[in-house]
Amino acid sequence: GNSVTQMEGPVTLSEEAFLTINCTYTATGYPSLFWYVQYPGEGLQLLLKATKADDKGSNKGFEATYRKETTSFHLEKGSVQVSDSAVYFCALTGTQGGSEKLVFGKGTKLTVNP
Amino acid sequence: DTAVSQTPKYLVTQMGNDKSIKCEQNLGHDTMYWYKQDSKKFLKIMFSYNNKELIINETVPNRFSPKSPDKAHLNLHINSLELGDSAVYFCASSQDGQPQHFGDGTRLSIL
Repeated sequence: GNSVTQMEGPVTLSEEAFLTINCTYTATGYPSLFWYVQYPGEGLQLLLKATKADDKGSNKGFEATYRKETTSFHLEKGSVQVSDSAVYFCALTGTQGGSEKLVFGKGTKLTVNP
Repeated sequence: DTAVSQTPKYLVTQMGNDKSIKCEQNLGHDTMYWYKQDSKKFLKIMFSYNNKELIINETVPNRFSPKSPDKAHLNLHINSLELGDSAVYFCASSQDGQPQHFGDGTRLSIL
């Protein structure tokens, strides 16, 4: 079945450091890929997405490129801020019965210190 | 305007009780979902409904029963609550394969 593997956290960085959170996937067909973010005490928010190979999703300074050859979708940001502290989830869609079922990685907790 | 709203936000109850969580979306989406997030933050789909019809039913105990009275609502009823049911339950909705929108979650604690 479909699965997502993302780097184990927690990750602790200083403000303005470079961030990479690795994500690789296993899927049949051509899934869409997503990064969701969960701020403390809140629900999940879509951060960015990519729907086909070589697509780059970007939002709020975060980027991720859909790499079919390496089955990866790594999240990057050039300069993190304290407000980026959250749990980040990599996910893909696998279609079941016409409804898009999200399969999540285990989440990576990011803490950014001033 | 809240897009996907869940009630209650917190639910504390005793083992063996029956409880319900409600979800409503005002986005006009056709598909709604329930996900469970455990204490380690792992998220897994439980159910999905499309236009009031059950589409996805993962390996969930039959103590959990979703009900969709119309396409804007998907409620989750849980019978005979157990300690292992303690989690955060998220409702989500989507349309035509577009990204899912999530509610803020319901934190269920079983005493």
